[in-house]
Amino acid sequence: DGGITQSPKYLFRKEGQNVTLSCEQNLNHDAMYWYRQDPGQGLRLIYYSQIVNDFQKGDIAEGYSVSREKKESFPLTVTSAQKNPTAFYLCASSLQASNQPQHFGDGTRLSIL
Amino acid sequence: DQQVKQNSPSLSVQEGRISILNCDYTNSMFDYFLWYKKYPAEGPTFLISISSIKDKNEDGRFTVFLNKSAKHLSLHIVPSQPGDSAVYFCAARRNTGNQFYFGTGTSLTVIP
Repeated sequence: DGGITQSPKYLFRKEGQNVTLSCEQNLNHDAMYWYRQDPGQGLRLIYYSQIVNDFQKGDIAEGYSVSREKKESFPLTVTSAQKNPTAFYLCASSLQASNQPQHFGDGTRLSIL
Repeated sequence: DQQVKQNSPSLSVQEGRISILNCDYTNSMFDYFLWYKKYPAEGPTFLISISSIKDKNEDGRFTVFLNKSAKHLSLHIVPSQPGDSAVYFCAARRNTGNQFYFGTGTSLTVIP
């Protein structure tokens, strides 16, 4: 079955630590995205990538970093510079063709210890 | 600046009745609009979409209407079922680039 896999589902981080969230897709999609969702808010774009080895900042990129070394994978690193990292993180992918929806993983909930 | 807005945080509807969820947008460059359904602790699931060249798209119990002059879209669910209870997000994409913009969501409760 094709889909997007995010791991782990729950993640705990100590203050001052970097942590990496995994996102893998086997849909052969070119574009991949990372969003953050906070209670009562919509999805805010952190980073997106339209092609391997290229990515762009979204609206809230500060304190985050990404890489896109393979088409299937788009890991997100939450660095210690991110002052409020506790949130629900969602990864998505889509075809580059017009009028194609994004498909989402089931998310990772990150909490600070 | 929120380019896609859902002004109703919540909506309650009796089972069997129509649910109408609304969404407004500000960017006239948006050309593709989508609705997603989301359960707690899960990722959003794509529900239905509409291109800006259309004003209506139907899929079973779900119909999306687009009013470009008013920059408004709505999702109609008829008849509503208890399993439809979820948070619904509308989203839009510009005609350049591949970035999607999401509203803040409307929590729908269908009362049996």
